[in-house]
Amino acid sequence: EAQVTQNPRYLITVTGKKLTVTCSQNMNHEYMSWYRQDPGLGLRQIYYSMNVEVTDKGDVPEGYKVSRKEKRNFPLILESPSPNQTSLYFCASSLYRDRGRRTEAFFGQGTRLTVV
Amino acid sequence: GEDVEQSLFLSVREGDSSVINCTYTDSSSTYLYWYKQEPGAGLQLLTYIFSNMDMKQDQRLTVLLNKKDKHLSLRIADTQTGDSAIYFCAESPNSGGYQKVTFGTGTKLQVIP
Repeated sequence: EAQVTQNPRYLITVTGKKLTVTCSQNMNHEYMSWYRQDPGLGLRQIYYSMNVEVTDKGDVPEGYKVSRKEKRNFPLILESPSPNQTSLYFCASSLYRDRGRRTEAFFGQGTRLTVV
Repeated sequence: GEDVEQSLFLSVREGDSSVINCTYTDSSSTYLYWYKQEPGAGLQLLTYIFSNMDMKQDQRLTVLLNKKDKHLSLRIADTQTGDSAIYFCAESPNSGGYQKVTFGTGTKLQVIP
C-alpha cells in the first residue's frame, strides 16, 4: 500500500530536549516536505527536499533541521524544542514534476507535538 | 509571494449544498487543488483543476475556477455528515522542476444533521 508513515503520532517533551520525527514513504517519490499546521494559519512549509542530499528552507524553517540521506526517509529534527513549536506536523511526498505534469502530494497521518 | 485565502468556518444542514471559497494571488498557478482533512488524519487529495479549465465535476463535487478574479470554489451537493472536515485549497505554480504547493488556511465544514 502506497503510504507516508510518520512516527511518533503523539509526543510530549520538555523545552530543550532534542527530538526527531521520522517520515518514510514507499512510493519512490523524489520530493518530500514538512509542514506544520496551526489553528487559523493553515499549513506552513518548514523544509522541503527535491531529492537525496538536496534540501531547502520553506516558509518557517527556524528551529528545525532536516536531512535526506536516503530517498525514502526525511526526518525532522528539533535540536532544542521550545513551546512555540507545539503544533501538528505533517510530512508529505510527491513526484518530481516536469512542467505541465500534475502531481499529488501524499500526506502522513500527522505528529502532534507538545513542548512544555 | 504566493498567498491563498479561505474563510475559516462554514456550517450547513445535511442535504443542503456547501460552497467553500478560496482566493489566490499567484497568476502563474497551473494546478489548483482541494484537499480534505478528516479529524485526526492527514490531508487527502479530493479533486483538482487545471488552470485552463473553468469547471470540473466529479460526482457530488463541482469545482469552479475564475482565473480572472483568481477565485476557486468547491461545491458539495447533498452534503452529508461524513463531509464534516477541514477543506484546504492549494495552488501550485507552473515553475517546473519541482512542486511547491501553497496551502490556504483551511475551511472547517460543519454539517448539522
